[in-house]
Amino acid sequence: DIVMTQTPLSSPVTLGQPASISCRSSQSLVHSDGNTYLNWLQQRPGQPPRLLIYKISNRFSGVPDRFSGSGAGTDFTLKISRVEAEDVGVYYCTQATQLPYTFGQGTKLEIK
Amino acid sequence: EVQLLESGGGLVQPGGSLRLSCAASGFTFSSYAMNWVRQAPGKGLEWVSTISGSGGSAYYADSVKGRFTISRDNSKDTLYLQMNSLRAEDTAVYYCAEGVGVWGQGTLVIVSS
Repeated sequence: DIVMTQTPLSSPVTLGQPASISCRSSQSLVHSDGNTYLNWLQQRPGQPPRLLIYKISNRFSGVPDRFSGSGAGTDFTLKISRVEAEDVGVYYCTQATQLPYTFGQGTKLEIK
Repeated sequence: EVQLLESGGGLVQPGGSLRLSCAASGFTFSSYAMNWVRQAPGKGLEWVSTISGSGGSAYYADSVKGRFTISRDNSKDTLYLQMNSLRAEDTAVYYCAEGVGVWGQGTLVIVSS
Protein backbone atom coordinates (compact mmCIF):
# COMPACT_ATOMS: atom_id res chain seq x y z
CA ASP A 1 0.00 0.00 0.00
CA ILE A 2 1.13 3.58 -0.66
CA VAL A 3 1.70 5.44 2.59
CA MET A 4 0.92 9.16 2.59
CA THR A 5 2.77 11.24 5.18
CA GLN A 6 1.73 14.83 5.91
CA THR A 7 3.65 17.53 7.73
CA PRO A 8 2.92 19.33 9.92
CA LEU A 9 0.04 17.61 11.68
CA SER A 10 -1.00 20.91 13.24
CA SER A 11 -0.58 24.39 11.84
CA PRO A 12 -1.49 27.50 13.85
CA VAL A 13 -1.67 30.41 11.41
CA THR A 14 -2.40 34.12 11.76
CA LEU A 15 -5.30 35.41 9.67
CA GLY A 16 -4.05 36.88 6.42
CA GLN A 17 -0.77 34.96 6.57
CA PRO A 18 0.22 32.08 4.26
CA ALA A 19 0.10 28.42 5.20
CA SER A 20 1.74 25.40 3.65
CA ILE A 21 1.18 21.65 4.07
CA SER A 22 3.50 18.97 2.73
CA CYS A 23 2.58 15.47 1.66
CA ARG A 24 5.01 12.72 0.79
CA SER A 25 4.09 9.37 -0.71
CA SER A 26 6.04 6.15 -0.13
CA GLN A 27 6.24 5.57 -3.90
CA SER A 28 5.73 7.54 -7.07
CA LEU A 29 2.14 8.55 -7.77
CA VAL A 30 2.62 8.72 -11.52
CA HIS A 31 0.00 6.45 -13.05
CA SER A 32 0.65 4.35 -16.15
CA ASP A 33 -1.62 6.76 -18.03
CA GLY A 34 0.82 9.60 -17.27
CA ASN A 35 -1.40 11.37 -14.74
CA THR A 36 -0.57 11.86 -11.08
CA TYR A 37 -3.67 11.30 -9.00
CA LEU A 38 -2.74 13.34 -5.95
CA ASN A 39 -5.65 15.27 -4.50
CA TRP A 40 -6.23 17.58 -1.55
CA LEU A 41 -9.36 17.58 0.59
CA GLN A 42 -10.60 20.03 3.19
CA GLN A 43 -12.83 18.96 6.05
CA ARG A 44 -14.38 21.74 8.06
CA PRO A 45 -15.62 20.87 11.57
CA GLY A 46 -18.77 18.76 11.41
CA GLN A 47 -18.75 18.65 7.61
CA PRO A 48 -17.93 15.97 5.03
CA PRO A 49 -14.69 16.26 3.10
CA ARG A 50 -14.60 18.64 0.17
CA LEU A 51 -12.28 18.43 -2.83
CA LEU A 52 -9.94 21.40 -3.16
CA ILE A 53 -7.24 20.30 -5.61
CA TYR A 54 -7.09 17.35 -8.00
CA LYS A 55 -4.18 15.92 -9.97
CA ILE A 56 -1.59 17.92 -8.04
CA SER A 57 -2.51 21.45 -9.04
CA ASN A 58 -6.03 21.75 -10.48
CA ARG A 59 -8.50 23.72 -8.39
CA PHE A 60 -11.94 22.11 -8.16
CA SER A 61 -15.04 24.07 -9.04
CA GLY A 62 -15.73 26.91 -6.64
CA VAL A 63 -12.40 26.70 -4.80
CA PRO A 64 -10.86 30.13 -4.14
CA ASP A 65 -7.64 30.92 -5.96
CA ARG A 66 -5.81 31.44 -2.67
CA PHE A 67 -5.49 27.64 -2.65
CA SER A 68 -2.78 26.14 -4.85
CA GLY A 69 -1.10 22.78 -5.23
CA SER A 70 2.28 21.78 -6.55
CA GLY A 71 4.75 18.94 -6.63
CA ALA A 72 5.69 15.85 -8.56
CA GLY A 73 6.54 12.19 -8.08
CA THR A 74 6.44 11.68 -4.34
CA ASP A 75 6.51 15.21 -2.89
CA PHE A 76 3.55 17.55 -2.93
CA THR A 77 2.49 20.81 -1.31
CA LEU A 78 -0.76 22.62 -0.63
CA LYS A 79 -0.45 26.36 -0.12
CA ILE A 80 -2.93 28.90 1.11
CA SER A 81 -1.74 32.38 0.16
CA ARG A 82 -3.72 34.27 2.82
CA VAL A 83 -5.57 32.26 5.46
CA GLU A 84 -9.16 33.24 6.18
CA ALA A 85 -11.32 32.20 9.12
CA GLU A 86 -13.36 29.82 6.94
CA ASP A 87 -10.20 27.82 6.17
CA VAL A 88 -10.15 26.30 9.66
CA GLY A 89 -10.38 22.53 9.49
CA VAL A 90 -8.41 19.42 8.63
CA TYR A 91 -6.64 19.00 5.30
CA TYR A 92 -5.93 15.61 3.77
CA CYS A 93 -3.82 14.58 0.84
CA THR A 94 -5.02 11.44 -0.89
CA GLN A 95 -3.80 9.31 -3.75
CA ALA A 96 -6.00 7.60 -6.33
CA THR A 97 -3.17 6.25 -8.47
CA GLN A 98 -3.18 2.77 -7.01
CA LEU A 99 -5.61 0.68 -5.01
CA PRO A 100 -6.05 0.74 -2.09
CA TYR A 101 -6.59 4.48 -2.21
CA THR A 102 -4.89 6.03 0.79
CA PHE A 103 -5.01 9.25 2.78
CA GLY A 104 -2.55 11.26 4.78
CA GLN A 105 -3.10 11.53 8.53
CA GLY A 106 -4.58 15.00 8.16
CA THR A 107 -3.26 18.46 9.06
CA LYS A 108 -5.30 20.56 11.43
CA LEU A 109 -5.29 24.23 10.45
CA GLU A 110 -6.06 26.56 13.34
CA ILE A 111 -6.10 30.30 13.73
CA LYS A 112 -3.45 31.64 16.06
CA GLU B 1 -27.12 20.12 -8.58
CA VAL B 2 -24.94 17.08 -8.00
CA GLN B 3 -25.95 15.35 -4.78
CA LEU B 4 -25.29 12.16 -2.83
CA LEU B 5 -27.49 11.18 0.10
CA GLU B 6 -26.57 8.29 2.36
CA SER B 7 -28.98 6.38 4.57
CA GLY B 8 -29.17 3.16 6.54
CA GLY B 9 -26.79 3.83 9.39
CA GLY B 10 -27.61 3.08 13.00
CA LEU B 11 -26.73 1.05 16.07
CA VAL B 12 -26.02 -2.63 15.55
CA GLN B 13 -24.62 -5.36 17.77
CA PRO B 14 -21.26 -6.96 17.06
CA GLY B 15 -21.71 -9.72 14.51
CA GLY B 16 -24.77 -8.03 13.05
CA SER B 17 -25.50 -6.68 9.57
CA LEU B 18 -26.46 -3.38 8.07
CA ARG B 19 -27.09 -2.14 4.54
CA LEU B 20 -26.15 1.39 3.59
CA SER B 21 -27.63 3.19 0.60
CA CYS B 22 -26.47 6.24 -1.31
CA ALA B 23 -28.93 7.98 -3.62
CA ALA B 24 -27.31 9.99 -6.39
CA SER B 25 -28.77 12.86 -8.39
CA GLY B 26 -27.62 15.56 -10.78
CA PHE B 27 -25.18 13.48 -12.82
CA THR B 28 -25.07 10.40 -15.04
CA PHE B 29 -24.62 7.90 -12.24
CA SER B 30 -23.79 4.90 -14.42
CA SER B 31 -20.82 6.70 -15.97
CA TYR B 32 -18.86 6.98 -12.75
CA ALA B 33 -17.05 4.69 -10.38
CA MET B 34 -18.26 5.16 -6.82
CA ASN B 35 -16.52 4.85 -3.50
CA TRP B 36 -17.30 4.27 0.15
CA VAL B 37 -14.97 6.00 2.59
CA ARG B 38 -15.30 5.89 6.37
CA GLN B 39 -14.13 7.99 9.28
CA ALA B 40 -13.99 6.61 12.81
CA PRO B 41 -14.85 9.12 15.56
CA GLY B 42 -12.05 11.68 15.86
CA LYS B 43 -9.92 9.87 13.28
CA GLY B 44 -8.86 10.30 9.67
CA LEU B 45 -10.33 9.03 6.43
CA GLU B 46 -10.15 5.38 5.36
CA TRP B 47 -11.06 4.08 1.92
CA VAL B 48 -13.44 1.12 2.16
CA SER B 49 -14.54 0.06 -1.31
CA THR B 50 -14.88 1.07 -4.97
CA ILE B 51 -17.19 -0.14 -7.71
CA SER B 52 -16.93 0.56 -11.41
CA GLY B 53 -19.65 2.42 -13.31
CA SER B 54 -21.10 -0.77 -14.75
CA GLY B 55 -20.85 -2.60 -11.45
CA GLY B 56 -18.68 -5.24 -13.04
CA SER B 57 -15.60 -4.57 -10.90
CA ALA B 58 -15.37 -4.08 -7.16
CA TYR B 59 -12.46 -3.52 -4.83
CA TYR B 60 -12.17 -3.67 -1.05
CA ALA B 61 -9.87 -2.64 1.75
CA ASP B 62 -8.29 -5.63 3.47
CA SER B 63 -10.04 -4.60 6.69
CA VAL B 64 -13.49 -5.30 5.20
CA LYS B 65 -12.78 -7.92 2.53
CA GLY B 66 -15.07 -10.91 2.89
CA ARG B 67 -17.47 -9.03 5.18
CA PHE B 68 -18.64 -6.05 3.11
CA THR B 69 -20.16 -6.08 -0.38
CA ILE B 70 -20.49 -3.02 -2.59
CA SER B 71 -23.13 -2.93 -5.30
CA ARG B 72 -25.12 -0.47 -7.38
CA ASP B 73 -28.44 -0.23 -9.16
CA ASN B 74 -27.94 2.09 -12.10
CA SER B 75 -31.66 2.05 -12.88
CA LYS B 76 -32.24 3.62 -9.46
CA ASP B 77 -29.07 5.76 -9.34
CA THR B 78 -28.25 4.14 -6.01
CA LEU B 79 -25.09 2.75 -4.46
CA TYR B 80 -25.14 0.17 -1.66
CA LEU B 81 -22.83 -1.25 0.98
CA GLN B 82 -23.88 -4.51 2.60
CA MET B 83 -21.99 -4.88 5.87
CA ASN B 84 -21.95 -8.27 7.61
CA SER B 85 -20.10 -9.62 10.65
CA LEU B 86 -19.75 -6.11 11.99
CA ARG B 87 -17.08 -5.35 14.58
CA ALA B 88 -16.59 -2.50 17.04
CA GLU B 89 -13.79 -1.17 14.85
CA ASP B 90 -16.29 -0.66 12.00
CA THR B 91 -17.88 2.16 13.99
CA ALA B 92 -17.58 5.23 11.80
CA VAL B 93 -19.31 7.77 9.61
CA TYR B 94 -19.62 6.20 6.18
CA TYR B 95 -19.43 8.53 3.18
CA CYS B 96 -20.23 7.70 -0.40
CA ALA B 97 -18.25 9.64 -2.96
CA GLU B 98 -18.05 9.99 -6.72
CA GLY B 99 -14.30 9.84 -7.16
CA VAL B 100 -13.14 12.44 -4.66
CA GLY B 101 -15.08 15.33 -6.16
CA VAL B 102 -18.55 14.77 -4.75
CA TRP B 103 -19.26 13.57 -1.21
CA GLY B 104 -22.42 12.80 0.67
CA GLN B 105 -23.10 14.04 4.19
CA GLY B 106 -22.37 10.62 5.64
CA THR B 107 -24.28 8.11 7.75
CA LEU B 108 -23.16 7.00 11.21
CA VAL B 109 -22.72 3.32 11.98
CA ILE B 110 -22.21 2.33 15.60
CA VAL B 111 -21.31 -1.27 16.42
CA SER B 112 -21.84 -1.88 20.10
CA SER B 113 -23.58 -4.22 22.49
